[in-house]
Amino acid sequence: GENVEQHPSTLSVQEGDSAVIKCTYSDSASNYFPWYKQELGKGPQLIIDIRSNVGEKKDQRIAVTLNKTAKHFSLHITETQPEDSAVYFCAASIWDKLVFGAGTILRVKS
Amino acid sequence: NAGVTQTPKFQVLKTGQSMTLQCAQDMNHEYMSWYRQDPGMGLRLIHYSVGAGITDQGEVPNGYNVSRSTTEDFPLRLLSAAPSQTSVYFCASRGPPTNEKLFFGSGTQLSVL
Repeated sequence: GENVEQHPSTLSVQEGDSAVIKCTYSDSASNYFPWYKQELGKGPQLIIDIRSNVGEKKDQRIAVTLNKTAKHFSLHITETQPEDSAVYFCAASIWDKLVFGAGTILRVKS
Repeated sequence: NAGVTQTPKFQVLKTGQSMTLQCAQDMNHEYMSWYRQDPGMGLRLIHYSVGAGITDQGEVPNGYNVSRSTTEDFPLRLLSAAPSQTSVYFCASRGPPTNEKLFFGSGTQLSVL
């Protein structure tokens, strides 16, 4: 089955700096790659997603890139703010199953 | 619109006890799923359903049962709880118009002693 690896497990950045989280997936049939943000005590919320026929997608300070050949995708957050501090999960979808990475704890220091 | 509602929020069980985690959604979503979240392991899919009367196994189905008799409800049953089932459980649903976007509940924190 699909396996998703996510790095790093923790990331500390200074407010205003950029943050990058990387994921790799194993099944070339996966065609949908969302990113979720989880704040303390809450369920994850979708922040951005990308399909396999697109190489890059941007939404304000957040962008996602996908390299299908290498089977990896990345989340980029620019101009980080304290409210960006949370756990971020990448995922890959094959048929009706969404497989998540282990998560990245992002801390933005002000 | 309440979204995805999970009950209870917290539960403590003794080994061998049974219980049902409740999940209800009011968005008329066909797809519903259960995940468990453990430190360092992300979210792992337990069971999912693509519509009333249809269920299927995810990555870690052992020890859990599900049924889907209505579109709104998708309960998760632990038949004989084990300490390895101590975790945070999330229910999620998706459907039109956002289709692939999963909406998560706020979770149930379960401890099995």
